[in-house]
Amino acid sequence: EPEVTQTPSHQVTQMGQEVILRCVPISNHLYFYWYRQILGQKVEFLVSFYNNEISEKSEIFDDQFSVERPDGSNFTLKIRSTKLEDSAMYFCASRTRRRSSYNEQFFGPGTRLTVL
Amino acid sequence: GESVGLHLPTLSVQEGDNSIINCAYSNSASDYFIWYKQESGKGPQFIIDIRSNMDKRQGQRVTVLLNKTVKHLSLQIAATQPGDSAVYFCAETDANAGGTSYGKLTFGQGTILTVHP
Repeated sequence: EPEVTQTPSHQVTQMGQEVILRCVPISNHLYFYWYRQILGQKVEFLVSFYNNEISEKSEIFDDQFSVERPDGSNFTLKIRSTKLEDSAMYFCASRTRRRSSYNEQFFGPGTRLTVL
Repeated sequence: GESVGLHLPTLSVQEGDNSIINCAYSNSASDYFIWYKQESGKGPQFIIDIRSNMDKRQGQRVTVLLNKTVKHLSLQIAATQPGDSAVYFCAETDANAGGTSYGKLTFGQGTILTVHP
């Protein structure tokens, strides 16, 4: 069964450093998302991406964040200068465009980012 | 601001019992309400959704009920099994039938379901 994959599973970085979180969405999906989950809290939307551009972003997704789909398979989230409060689990998700699957986003296993 | 939230943070049940997980929402303009399950160490997994113009929808062992009058959503799991132990999130989205929505999900706080054998 196809699945969303994410690397690395755990990233430890120093405050102020840049990090790139990587995702490989399901191959025939057209919509891509990043969410984050601070420990013990709810999952929060960061950004959606469709047709090679950002379609929607949250207040969390400020100028320090960027996303890219550099080729036909990878989808990356970059944090330019990490802050302590960026420590969280980051989930990538994707979905198809088929009408019956609007709400079924497929999530990856997440990358745990720890900023020291 | 608008939010989706849960009444109970934890729920413990015996194997074979039925489970009911509740959620309150405040955005009455949402088109769909969705339940996701998150097992330890994994990302959320879609369970079932319900459109805002429906009151009830059934899946395999799960039923979602929507009460728009009191802005309440519930997930019923029949014959709960140890494999159902997880965190359950309700979520809402503004996906519309026209297919132009980008499908941002707004999640609630989550309920931890523990099933005892």
